Order: sequence, then structure tokens, then C-alpha cells
Amino acid sequence: TQLLEQSPQFLSIQEGENLTVYCNSSSVFSSLQWYRQEPGEGPVLLVTVVTGGEVKKLKRLTFQFGDARKDSSLHITAAQPGDTGLYLCAGEDFNKFYFGSGTKLNVKP
Amino acid sequence: DAGVIQSPRHEVTEMGQEVTLRCKPISGHNSLFWYRQTMMRGLELLIYFNNNVPIDDSGMPEDRFSAKMPNASFSTLKIQPSEPRDSAVYFCASSLARGPYEQYFGPGTRLTVT
Repeated sequence: TQLLEQSPQFLSIQEGENLTVYCNSSSVFSSLQWYRQEPGEGPVLLVTVVTGGEVKKLKRLTFQFGDARKDSSLHITAAQPGDTGLYLCAGEDFNKFYFGSGTKLNVKP
Repeated sequence: DAGVIQSPRHEVTEMGQEVTLRCKPISGHNSLFWYRQTMMRGLELLIYFNNNVPIDDSGMPEDRFSAKMPNASFSTLKIQPSEPRDSAVYFCASSLARGPYEQYFGPGTRLTVT
């Protein structure tokens, strides 16, 4: 079984703070995706990382794939209330996806 | 472009009744996935299809669950008979069957079995 562990499970911060969410596994993945899910909606794909050590930036969000392609991190700079949601990582292996349990982020104004 | 379409968005039914959830994937996508999401267990893969063929149904919880994909633009997930523990949000997602593999989710169907 390819399990992905996310930490922390819950995070409540003030607007303007920085934060990092981690996604760890003992398995190697071909790629890794990050999604954000808001209440009542489906997960929305934010980014896909493919190469070990790869770093991608999406405005204030920075995503990194571990060198061994087993782990990833998501860093948010100067968080805003609009960043509030459930962040999910998913490891992909031959078009099959394994999801972490998620990090629920609340950014207070 | 239309995203993944699911219907109904909400379903309330009584225990023992048959429930059918429907999904239309993104046009051109040839992989389709059914997931179930609950607070306790998170997002669980139930089954996925490649080119309309079921590839992995190991996540289907019981024989009460069945899924079909009669053509490239339509899939159903059926629960018969339904039980209260089936209450969850069911998502359909689609992707291209070539790398980098990226899934796109529908809005989900919230199922409540009383």
C-alpha cells in the first residue's frame, strides 16, 4: 500500500503569516500533485511536480518535490483568507493516485 | 470547456433503496475515477477505468457497489441496497491516460442514506 502522510492536519494562522505543509511517503512516485478543496466543491488541481528536486511557484505558493520523489512540501508566503481550504497531496504511479489525508488551513483576517 | 459533470449534486434516500450516481468526464479524457470522501477516511479511490475498461476495482467496498462505463462520455456508480454507512460525498475525476497524469474532479454528489 502506498500511503501518503500529510502534516500538520490542521493549521490556523493569521493573515500575513507564512506556513509550510508536508507530504511524506516511503514510496517513490512518478509525479505528485497538490490540490485545494473548498467546502461543497471538488478538489482543484494546483500543480504537478515530476522531477526529483523540482520547485514550482504559483504566485505566493511554492511547491517542492523531494530529490528521491517520495515527499513534497507546499509553502505559502503571506497567507490570505482566500487561501483557506483543505490542501491535499496525491502521489501518482502509472495513472493511479494515492491521496494524503489533507491539511485543513484556516487563515484568519 | 466544460469540466467533469456529476449528477445529482445531492441525493437523500432511505436505507435499502437503489442509488445511481452519474458522471460525464472531460471530453477527450480516457481515464475515469470514482472516489468517496468522508471525514473519517478522507478521499478513497473506489474504481478507475481506462478507455471504458475497469482497471482496478479493489477499492469498491462491497458487492453492493457496482460501476459501469458504457462509453467514453458516461459512467455510473450504483449502490444497491444502500445503507446509512454509505453516506459520503462521491467524486468522479477524469484524466488523460498519458503523462504527466493529472486528474480533474467534478463537484461531487453528496449522498445521505437515512
